[in-house]
Amino acid sequence: NAGVTQTPKFQVLKTGQSMTLQCAQDMNHEYMSWYRQDPGMGLRLIHYSVGAGITDQGEVPNGYNVSRSTTEDFPLRLLSAAPSQTSVYFCASSLTQGLQGGYTFGSGTRLTVV
Amino acid sequence: KNQVEQSPQSLIILEGKNCTLQCNYTVSPFSNLRWYKQDTGRGPVSLTIMTFSENTKSNGRYTATLDADTKQSSLHITASQLSDSASYICVVTQVAYSGAGSYQLTFGKGTKLSVIP
Repeated sequence: NAGVTQTPKFQVLKTGQSMTLQCAQDMNHEYMSWYRQDPGMGLRLIHYSVGAGITDQGEVPNGYNVSRSTTEDFPLRLLSAAPSQTSVYFCASSLTQGLQGGYTFGSGTRLTVV
Repeated sequence: KNQVEQSPQSLIILEGKNCTLQCNYTVSPFSNLRWYKQDTGRGPVSLTIMTFSENTKSNGRYTATLDADTKQSSLHITASQLSDSASYICVVTQVAYSGAGSYQLTFGKGTKLSVIP
């Protein structure tokens, strides 16, 4: 049981490049989400999904796309990287979105855009 | 605006000592409050989760309290160990009523705890 797996762990991009951050979970969790963590700020929600085929925007969705074709995978795509997207990105999953249980977080992807 | 304020911002304590971290929130309507531990370079790990009706919840040497009337929570760490050095994040869940996004989480900025020998 691997939990939530994120790849890559580190990435450097040039401004304007695109890339996909991968997130996979093996716990059959319905709810998955992407957060970014910046110095001096709390985690902020980018996009989330309550099940396969369903996605929605969070607090800071601009510049990011997501899709959820399977229960297990929830990739985050950066369309045209900008220095403002330099951050640590966390994927999290939960059995359901609300009360039951906590969220399981991946170990993060540290992204630098130069 | 929903806010979660944590104090202190950082804390240094000697190994073996106790400490208490604070969390004040303005999130409404309230669903639950969670405390997470985040080691450097790792994702947050859940310590406790409390609903409106729960005043105290323990997880080993960690004890969380909740006063839903004053909208305050605390995390007490007993007999600290070097491995307790981490950031501790308070997260409050709001019940929303906007379609699929029926719960919204607000994260505090965290308290960075350093336990020294």
